[in-house]
Amino acid sequence: AQSVAQPEDQVNVAEGNPLTVKCTYSVSGNPYLFWYVQYPNRGLQFLLKYITGDNLVKGSYGFEAEFNKSQTSFHLKKPSALVSDSALYFCAVETGSTLGRLYFGRGTQLTVWP
Amino acid sequence: GAVVSQHPSRVICKSGTSVKIECRSLDFQATTMFWYRQFPKQSLMLMATSNEGSKATYEQGVEKDKFLINHASLTLSTLTVTSAHPEDSSFYICSARDFRRDPEKLFFGSGTQLSVL
Repeated sequence: AQSVAQPEDQVNVAEGNPLTVKCTYSVSGNPYLFWYVQYPNRGLQFLLKYITGDNLVKGSYGFEAEFNKSQTSFHLKKPSALVSDSALYFCAVETGSTLGRLYFGRGTQLTVWP
Repeated sequence: GAVVSQHPSRVICKSGTSVKIECRSLDFQATTMFWYRQFPKQSLMLMATSNEGSKATYEQGVEKDKFLINHASLTLSTLTVTSAHPEDSSFYICSARDFRRDPEKLFFGSGTQLSVL
């Protein structure tokens, strides 16, 4: 069965500092990994994805994530956080056998203070 | 870019009534749409896969007679919560893929907050 873990319910950082939002996964088969962001009372917006190739993927708004197969992780990072980055972040996984069906982590609330 | 429109954004209904939620792909055709449910401070849970012209595929534990899905055209899928009860109160989100633009990316609607009194 596919599953995603986001071990932190909340991450707080000061503006200008680097941020990391953690994600680990468990799948059978090769994973396709995604990060989405959700603002209050809104749908989800795509940030970035890893399908194959370079382990470091760059996405929207200066975010990036590194796929680490040995640690089964896909942590989201940004070198310098902005107050406007404050939102709910979801990690998600899909595999070839579940193509089209994403399984989400429980989400991490990121708060960036001025 | 591709846009998925979901309507209504918010609905309040009495227990026992049925509620229909619409999900439209505005500038692309979606043979497959997905319906998710989100409880407060919890993850999105996939409920079902809506297939144009055929029956929906439901995830384990989701009552198909309770959550009726219809995908009558390439741009519209509907989710009907039948005989709604307070425990059905939740945030429902639809999503779709634009296979011509980017088959690997899901576009999400803005969600529907359902409150059953």
